Amino acid sequence: NAGVTQTPKFQVLKTGQSMTLQCAQDMNHEYMSWYRQDPGMGLRLIHYSVGAGITDQGEVPNGYNVSRSTTEDFPLRLLSAAPSQTSVYFCASSYSLAGVYYNEQFFGPGTRLTVL
Amino acid sequence: AQSVTQLDSQVPVFEEAPVELRCNYSSSVSVYLFWYVQYPNQGLQLLLKYLSGSTLVESINGFEAEFNKSQTSFHLRKPSVHISDTAEYFCAVSASGTYKYIFGTGTRLKVLA
Repeated sequence: NAGVTQTPKFQVLKTGQSMTLQCAQDMNHEYMSWYRQDPGMGLRLIHYSVGAGITDQGEVPNGYNVSRSTTEDFPLRLLSAAPSQTSVYFCASSYSLAGVYYNEQFFGPGTRLTVL
Repeated sequence: AQSVTQLDSQVPVFEEAPVELRCNYSSSVSVYLFWYVQYPNQGLQLLLKYLSGSTLVESINGFEAEFNKSQTSFHLRKPSVHISDTAEYFCAVSASGTYKYIFGTGTRLKVLA
């Protein structure tokens, strides 16, 4: 199992450019999330998905779009990059047992994004 | 809604000394509590979790945390730290049975030789 993979590892964008951060998991987890990590602010939830075709907003969704067409993939799109989106982005997945969610999240290695 | 407070942003400690990383939470419903560890330039890994049952939970590498409902705390402790424990530690809470986590701001543990 590769677990949760993210590409690219590093990215530099200019203000106004768009891009997609890729996230994939091979554990057949139904739950997937995107977080951003900023110094002194911990991790903040951007968007999450509880299954293919189902997504919802987290704490800081503005400027980001997501879709979930398959169980494995959960890409994060930046529509028009801004310097405030400079951050480290983590994708995570999780699962439930017997219909109850209570388990740990499995994190990818992160994407470090700089917007100039 | 839930919230998490990690009172210490940095904790320096000498090798083989004990350490406590503090975490307090607030919630109007019952919660699950987690500690994650992040080593430099890596993602987060689960260290330990409290779901129900015994209020004292332990990890395989010597850390333990105690759920204290009356004080709404979930402090992380280790009796003797190693250089390899140098990392950032995050406390997290989720309302029981829900998926959304709330993370604290993290505590950087630096173990000194």
